[in-house]
This record gives sequence, C-alpha cells and structure tokens, in this order.
Amino acid sequence: QSALTQPRSVSGSPGQSVTISCTGTSSDVGGYNSVSWYRQYPGKAPKLMIYDVTKRPSGVPDRFSGSKSDNTASLTISGLQAEDESDYYCCSYAGNYTVVFGGGTKLTVL
Amino acid sequence: QLQLQESGPGLVKPSETLSLTCTVSGGSISSSNYYWGWIRQPPGKGLEWIGSMYYSGSTYYNPSLKSRVTISGDTSKNQFALELSSVTAADTAIYYCARHPSVTTGYFHQWGQGTLVTVSS
Repeated sequence: QSALTQPRSVSGSPGQSVTISCTGTSSDVGGYNSVSWYRQYPGKAPKLMIYDVTKRPSGVPDRFSGSKSDNTASLTISGLQAEDESDYYCCSYAGNYTVVFGGGTKLTVL
Repeated sequence: QLQLQESGPGLVKPSETLSLTCTVSGGSISSSNYYWGWIRQPPGKGLEWIGSMYYSGSTYYNPSLKSRVTISGDTSKNQFALELSSVTAADTAIYYCARHPSVTTGYFHQWGQGTLVTVSS
C-alpha cells in the first residue's frame, strides 16, 4: 500500500483557479468512488472538504470541487482567496478495508 | 456537537508501547452508524491512516503497522484507544483520532485536535 501521489506544491493568484492532482492505482483511486480531500492549516487538524469524489460537506464553499478520471483524482479551487493557502491532502479507500492518504500539497496564494 | 479529544503520554521511550485514548463527547462510540479511527502525521510530513474500529469490536489496520497496532473501545467510558508497540523514533508524530461513516467510504468527517507523541530516550 503506497501513498497516493500529489504535487509537492501549487500556486495561484487571487481570483484564479488551481487544480491539485492525486494519482493512485486501480486498486485505490481508480477502483472506488471513495476519494476525499482535506485542508490543513499549520498546527490544526485536517478538515474534510470533499468526499465521495465530488460531494461537499455542509459549509464548504462551492468554490471547491472534486473530480476523478481513471486513477487520478483532482481538487479544483476556483476564485482563489488568501484563506485558501494551506496544505491539502487526498485520501482513498484502497480495498481490503484499508485507507491510504496522499503525500500532501502546499497551496500558495501569490 | 461531536467532540473528540486525544490524551496520553507525550514522551515514550524506544521499544516501549505507545498508548493513547480518544474521549468522545456529543456522540456514542456504540453508534452503528460510525467507525472510529486513528491517523498520524510525523512532524512536517503527510498523513498516515493507522487503523479503525467499529462498535461491534471489528478492527481494521494499516498493513504496514498491523503487527504492532491494537485499537479497542470502552463503551462505558465512551472512549477508544490506540496501542502501538515496539516504537522507534519513526513513530514520533501527531496522533489524531477521528470519526468516519465507514472504512470503505474512506473519509473522516470529524477529527480531534491531535496530540504530539515523541519517541526518545
């Protein structure tokens, strides 16, 4: 069970859109519609932003959206705001009652 | 409103057993609707799922840690616990407890604030 692959960092200017990718295999991301995304500010616990690939929990702005194609899931943040600067992690069910996270992506708002 | 709070020693010696407790308030670990899990994060690094339990006693572990991990629940105290044996410096991390609807859905919708455990002599 290997960690999902995410870019170490991405950046964007306020108002722009950014997309963070999360690449796995057919045994995890590609095999199930069970991908979730988390935002984590320094020193804080992660917060669920997207679950089941595309669903947003109550209270998460619709600027956040998720998608998946084959073995790669993506988180898109549109209308980038300064408060979006954070670390983002993807997560997937990996079969056999196991869960795997991505390595994390640092989003910088320029 | 559900709250989860981790507690336990902040310092553990190498080769010993790390023991943490998660106290749940505003909800019951006996609920059939949820699973209860542990996730850790080494300083400056990413998240790693350790394992989860269901109120029935069923447990599910990360294969890479399975030989050293035990997760159990105490319904009388509304707590669940993590034990990680034979620890090394590589086990130094912030440990989070969390609630999730199911292992197969793979998402954690409520988290504790986390507790730092350092492995050092």
